[in-house]
Amino acid sequence: EVQLLESGGGLVQPGGSLRLSCAASGFTFNNYAMNWVRQAPGKGLECVSAISGSAGSTYYADSVRGRFTISRDNSKDMVYLQMNSLRAEDTAVYYCAKALGLRINFDSWGQGALVTVSS
Amino acid sequence: DFVMTQSPDSLAVSLGERATINCKSSQSVLYSSNNKNYLAWYQQKPGQPPKLLIYWASTRESGVPDRFSGSGSGTDFTLTISSLQAEDVAVYYCQQYYTTPPSTFGQGTKLEIK
Repeated sequence: EVQLLESGGGLVQPGGSLRLSCAASGFTFNNYAMNWVRQAPGKGLECVSAISGSAGSTYYADSVRGRFTISRDNSKDMVYLQMNSLRAEDTAVYYCAKALGLRINFDSWGQGALVTVSS
Repeated sequence: DFVMTQSPDSLAVSLGERATINCKSSQSVLYSSNNKNYLAWYQQKPGQPPKLLIYWASTRESGVPDRFSGSGSGTDFTLTISSLQAEDVAVYYCQQYYTTPPSTFGQGTKLEIK
């Protein structure tokens, strides 16, 4: 059974940093691109970052480029999102989601991790 | 930039009736080399992550009831629920994955029971 389990969410002050982790199981991890999608309270879905299966390619939404860094460790079946210079508008539930390629639909999602940026 | 626009924003349909949700892309998501539309539909129930329903615009994900169907090509797409069930109450999102990541989603359509 495919499982994606996010961790590392919490309350952080504006300008602070947080690192999200997503533990994957139940599939051949390095065959899949991984994505981080966020959802602000009561709002829609925004894909903020993606990484190829080999980690050779990474992508970012304009809203987070230069502040967020996506990475993965294929030996541990983990994907990460390092978030720096956090702003109030980064407050959201962050989901990790897997896809069979970079230009492929997301076939499984984690339960999400809540990040709250507030003083 | 790719913009996905869904209509309507909310919809109330009686149990057993048909529900139709539209999604329009600002640019075509049809890739000519393989004749595939890079368009997916997701269902999100309260407190849950999104769930994949349809990909390549019309291919139903394994386990999804056959009352859900997707259609359209190029820039205009439709998700149809042929006979609404109580468990179909949710927010529905379209997604284009035609472009270099990150992909983009429509704003969502909230489906309720009339």
